[in-house]
Formats: sequence, structure tokens, C-alpha cells
Amino acid sequence: TQLLEQSPQFLSIQEGENLTVYCNSSSVFSSLQWYRQEPGEGPVLLVTVVTGGEVKKLKRLTFQFGDARKDSSLHITAAQPGDTGLYLCAGASGGSNYKLTFGKGTLLTVNP
Amino acid sequence: GAVVSQHPSWVICKSGTSVKIECRSLDFQATTMFWYRQFPKQSLMLMATSNEGSKATYEQGVEKDKFLINHASLTLSTLTVTSAHPEDSSFYICSARGLRGWETQYFGPGTRLLVL
Repeated sequence: TQLLEQSPQFLSIQEGENLTVYCNSSSVFSSLQWYRQEPGEGPVLLVTVVTGGEVKKLKRLTFQFGDARKDSSLHITAAQPGDTGLYLCAGASGGSNYKLTFGKGTLLTVNP
Repeated sequence: GAVVSQHPSWVICKSGTSVKIECRSLDFQATTMFWYRQFPKQSLMLMATSNEGSKATYEQGVEKDKFLINHASLTLSTLTVTSAHPEDSSFYICSARGLRGWETQYFGPGTRLLVL
């Protein structure tokens, strides 16, 4: 069974601060995806990283995929209250039994 | 991005009744749909993988007779919670994956089920 350890589980910060969320596994994934979910809604895809060592930027969000494709991080610069939400990482295992394995999530609260 | 809808968005039912939840891919054909369950402030737990025209594959610990899944077409999958009980109350989310190999999973908005 593939497991994804996501940390921290809860994070409460002030507007303007930076933060990093980590996603680690002992397994190799074919790709890793980051989602953001608001209460009562489904997850919304932020980014998919596929190549080991890949770095993707989405405005104030920076995503990294580890060289060995076992871990990933999400860094948010100058957090804003609108960034509040549940951030989920999910590793994809490919082939005929494709499925996503989700981390436990990081509940981020950005206080004004 | 691709759009996945779910119906209903919320449902309240009495214990012992069955509830059907629909998941539709609106602008693409989905060979595979996934059903997840999520408890408050927790992550998504995969319940089953549904492939069009074949039987669903259930994750360990998920009762296939309790959670009936049908994927009758490339745009529709249904999850029926049979003889629902209060412990089945949860947020059920589906996702759909397209025909091409590296298509991303697109998630529906979820269905809140409350069993009284």
C-alpha cells in the first residue's frame, strides 16, 4: 500500500507570511498532484508534476517534485486570506490500476 | 478545465432507505470514474474505481453490496448507498479521468449525505 505523509496537518498564519507544506512517501509515483479544497466543495487541481526535480510556479505558489519522485513540496509566498483552505497532495500510480493516493491534507488558515 | 457534476448536492434520508448519487462528466468522455468518501476535516478515501462497461473495483474494507456502483456510459457513473445507516453519513465525491493516458482526474463538487 502506498502512503503519502503530508505535513503539517494544521497551519495558522498571518497574512503576508510564507509557508511550506510537505508531502513525503517511501514509494515512487508516476506523477504528483496538488489540490485545494474549500468546505463543502470538491478538490480543485492546482498543479501536476511529473518529472523528478521539476519546479512549477503558479503566481505565489511554487511546487517542487523530488528528484526520486517520492516527495513534493508546496511553498506559498506572502499568504493571503484567500489562500485559506485544505491543501491535498495526491500521488498517481500508473498502469492498468491507475489511482490517486491522497495525503491527509493540510488545513491552512490565513488570518488578516 | 473539464467539468464533472454530481447530483444531488445534498440529501437527507431515513435509516434503511437507499440513496443514489449520480456523477457526470459534462464535456469529456471518462473511461474511469472514482468514488471517494470524506469525513470532516479529513482527506479523501478512495472507495472504488469504476470502469465503463465493467464491474467496479472496490478498495479493501469497502462493502460492494453496500455501495453499488454502475458505470453505464462514458459520461455517467452512479453510486447507490443501500440500506443507509447513520454511520454512512459523509461527503461523497466522484472524479472522472479521460480517455488519453495522462488525463488528470477532475473532481465533482461532492454530495453531502445525512442519514437520520
